[in-house]
Amino acid sequence: DAGVIQSPRHEVTEMGQEVTLRCKPISGHNSLFWYRQTMMRGLELLIYFNNNVPIDDSGMPEDRFSAKMPNASFSTLKIQPSEPRDSAVYFCASSQDSSNEKLFFGSGTQLSVL
Amino acid sequence: SQKIEQNSEALNIQEGKTATLTCNYTNYSPAYLQWYRQDPGRGPVFLLLIRENEKEKRKERLKVTFDTTLKQSLFHITASQPADSATYLCALDRSGAGNMLTFGGGTRLMVKP
Repeated sequence: DAGVIQSPRHEVTEMGQEVTLRCKPISGHNSLFWYRQTMMRGLELLIYFNNNVPIDDSGMPEDRFSAKMPNASFSTLKIQPSEPRDSAVYFCASSQDSSNEKLFFGSGTQLSVL
Repeated sequence: SQKIEQNSEALNIQEGKTATLTCNYTNYSPAYLQWYRQDPGRGPVFLLLIRENEKEKRKERLKVTFDTTLKQSLFHITASQPADSATYLCALDRSGAGNMLTFGGGTRLMVKP
């Protein structure tokens, strides 16, 4: 398996623009997570899906952020409108079952909002 | 509030020595604790999981201890190599239900030849 695949690898956009980050989890994994990593705050959990259903989105910073998982092989994280403080590395991770005893991370999307 | 603390200062050691990294936590009752390795520009990679009823776990040159009384885990790399240089993150389940990991800030390890 190719592992967790994220796109784009890098995204540079201007404040106010919409940004969509994409993730393909490992086939057969039924839990998916979106994390954000910054120097100041470290790795923060944004949202957790199990069997394509959002279970906990308490980490989503505000209404500008939304996430979807229309099927078992695809998820998106959207920021609209984007702001400079959203600049971070966004990671998607998946795990085989709901025990989540081992997460597999993608390589991340480096987002820069100017 | 729940907190996971790792030494934010980089740990510099000489090749061949044992590296010891610390993870302390407060206000968690974890069923298990995990350690991950992160290289620059990459996502974290799972290394080891230790359960609350396990005192120690080993995998090749890695050893993890877990003291639920002290609320601390120690991560050891024996016979360290320059290739072990990376940031090491510990993670705990936030909910107690085993499904939402919260990560510490990580400790950067530098192994010098």
